[in-house]
Amino acid sequence: DSGVTQTPKHLITATGQRVTLRCSPRSGDLSVYWYQQSLDQGLQFLIQYYNGEERAKGNILERFSAQQFPDLHSELNLSSLELGDSALYFCASSVPAGGNEQFFGPGTRLTVL
Amino acid sequence: KNEVEQSPQNLTAQEGEFITINCSYSVGISALHWLQQHPGGGIVSLFMLSSGKKKHGRLIATINIQEKHSSLHITASHPRDSAVYICAGFSGSARQLTFGSGTQLTVLP
Repeated sequence: DSGVTQTPKHLITATGQRVTLRCSPRSGDLSVYWYQQSLDQGLQFLIQYYNGEERAKGNILERFSAQQFPDLHSELNLSSLELGDSALYFCASSVPAGGNEQFFGPGTRLTVL
Repeated sequence: KNEVEQSPQNLTAQEGEFITINCSYSVGISALHWLQQHPGGGIVSLFMLSSGKKKHGRLIATINIQEKHSSLHITASHPRDSAVYICAGFSGSARQLTFGSGTQLTVLP
């Protein structure tokens, strides 16, 4: 158990809908990272927050957004969902801002029908 | 653009064999992570290296900065080592991890 929690574990929804994925980092970790893993693209970095502020942005679509709250949990919002958004979404956390070991949550499997 | 290439894509071994997975990376990557992804999907961080060598149990990771190459070795492999192994390079300038495509390892009893 990495100490990172993600909810929900599974999510099934329809095209055009909006969902929110939640992540609680390990106690004491200030950085949260979001990743997408799809069958055709592999693992891709989406976005990083550090102590409430956006720190780095990767291949995140405009339909997706994230935030980190004062208690350091983070949410990833996915809107106007398309079939191609079906993937595993992982969050990870680390103590400092980057470049150090990251601890991954169990992931949320999103299926868009 | 930061790139990470892994080989082989698939690897099948007999229990007890010594296993090596290779990772090459581009200029701009300052640290290399090795991850293990279980069949259920969970990801575990194995090592983070910026130089030298690290060992944990039967797993050894090495990195050669001049050649921009890292290897993950598994000694005395066991069926429970069967998983996907992923290397990922961290770029300080881009502040993000770039992932290799993964190596599917199957260890047969």
